[in-house]
Amino acid sequence: GAGVSQTPSNKVTEKGKYVELRCDPISGHTALYWYRQSLGQGPEFLIYFQGTGAADDSGLPNDRFFAVRPEGSVSTLKIQRTERGDSAVYLCASSLTPGSSYGYTFGSGTRLTVV
Amino acid sequence: AQKITQTQPGMFVQEKEAVTLDCTYDTSDQSYGLFWYKQPSSGEMIFLIYQGSYDEQNATEGRYSLNFQKARKSANLVISASQLGDSAMYFCAMESGTASKLTFGTGTRLQVTL
Repeated sequence: GAGVSQTPSNKVTEKGKYVELRCDPISGHTALYWYRQSLGQGPEFLIYFQGTGAADDSGLPNDRFFAVRPEGSVSTLKIQRTERGDSAVYLCASSLTPGSSYGYTFGSGTRLTVV
Repeated sequence: AQKITQTQPGMFVQEKEAVTLDCTYDTSDQSYGLFWYKQPSSGEMIFLIYQGSYDEQNATEGRYSLNFQKARKSANLVISASQLGDSAMYFCAMESGTASKLTFGTGTRLQVTL
């Protein structure tokens, strides 16, 4: 596609439930990133994929968070046993190569609200 | 550890005037890249400009320029001839060393007035 697509754009879930957030990167972009942006803050890094593998998952806050990218394209961020503190905007970005000076292209994000 | 500091939570500028948004960074790496992003109310992060640590000239992209002062570890964004559509949050970010990830500041909310 022309840009990075994230679905759903909004998700409301009950505490304790499981959620999946989807990211469809720009075609041909090998690097894919997930960030979390809490209210009034800048985005914080969660995980980075190069191809199918997670090259850096140091930003995942705990083992309730998991992400996959099985075919090196679409990625899914999975959150188990959601907590109210997980409420945030989850941003996905892709780049042609890691560290591209052309910048990372971000999607519009998924706003997750845990009630 | 890498850190980005943006000390201006909010800024006002009149239409057609220039404005400078401050950004200082901290890293022990010799190789790094600095980015500025614009985030309108729609939420998307829009890439504006990039400066590499070894670039000798300040980056420019249309009305955007980056005032890079390496010794002071600052990378201020200058927007010339402000437009109403420039009203948004602006984030400074850094990619440092071999880490392929961005560290963001807390952002500056810019409001352009008539």
